[in-house]
Amino acid sequence: AAGVIQSPRHLIKEKRETATLKCYPIPRHDTVYWYQQGPGQDPQFLISFYEKMQSDKGSIPDRFSAQQFSDYHSELNMSSLELGDSALYFCASSLNREQYFGPGTRLTVT
Amino acid sequence: QQQVKQSPQSLIVQKGGISIINCAYENTAFDYFPWYQQFPGKGPALLIAIRPDVSEKKEGRFTISFNKSAKQFSLHIMDSQPGDSATYFCAALTGSARQLTFGSGTQLTVLP
Repeated sequence: AAGVIQSPRHLIKEKRETATLKCYPIPRHDTVYWYQQGPGQDPQFLISFYEKMQSDKGSIPDRFSAQQFSDYHSELNMSSLELGDSALYFCASSLNREQYFGPGTRLTVT
Repeated sequence: QQQVKQSPQSLIVQKGGISIINCAYENTAFDYFPWYQQFPGKGPALLIAIRPDVSEKKEGRFTISFNKSAKQFSLHIMDSQPGDSATYFCAALTGSARQLTFGSGTQLTVLP
């Protein structure tokens, strides 16, 4: 079965740089979510999109933005990166209530 | 403040034993409770989920028990195997919000 695809899988950036993470949801899923997971922590919700419209917003810094495109893929844009942004970033998608997570992007900010 | 409290933080079980992880919540608006399994460096994988109108749900070796009045739910892993060694997260969702609220996680180690 098709799963959520995320790219890149690993990303190394320097402080103050910009990063773009991409997510391709499971086909026919109408909702995409972004989560951030720090080392040894639980995933924290950032933002979600339902049918290409932003639906919920969590603890997403103002330096981050996201959007969902007409083909349902989503991108998380992160600017002015800080050391504390180093984490695993997961995208999930759902059709009903069951959220299926992608493999994640490991972002390292040096 | 963790809206979903999970315990224990870590758990060591012998192969063939029963692993039990507990979660408690306060928000009565939560109406969907999934459990996720996560291996290091991987994404959380949905294991099993329950709604509050059901007291128990079983899928293979995994069982969720739900106590609505106590606002508690637990995951039981029967016949635990070394391959079950992972971090387990309980989570909760409300009808209106689409974001999962996770517990703090339990690191399970199953000894061979």
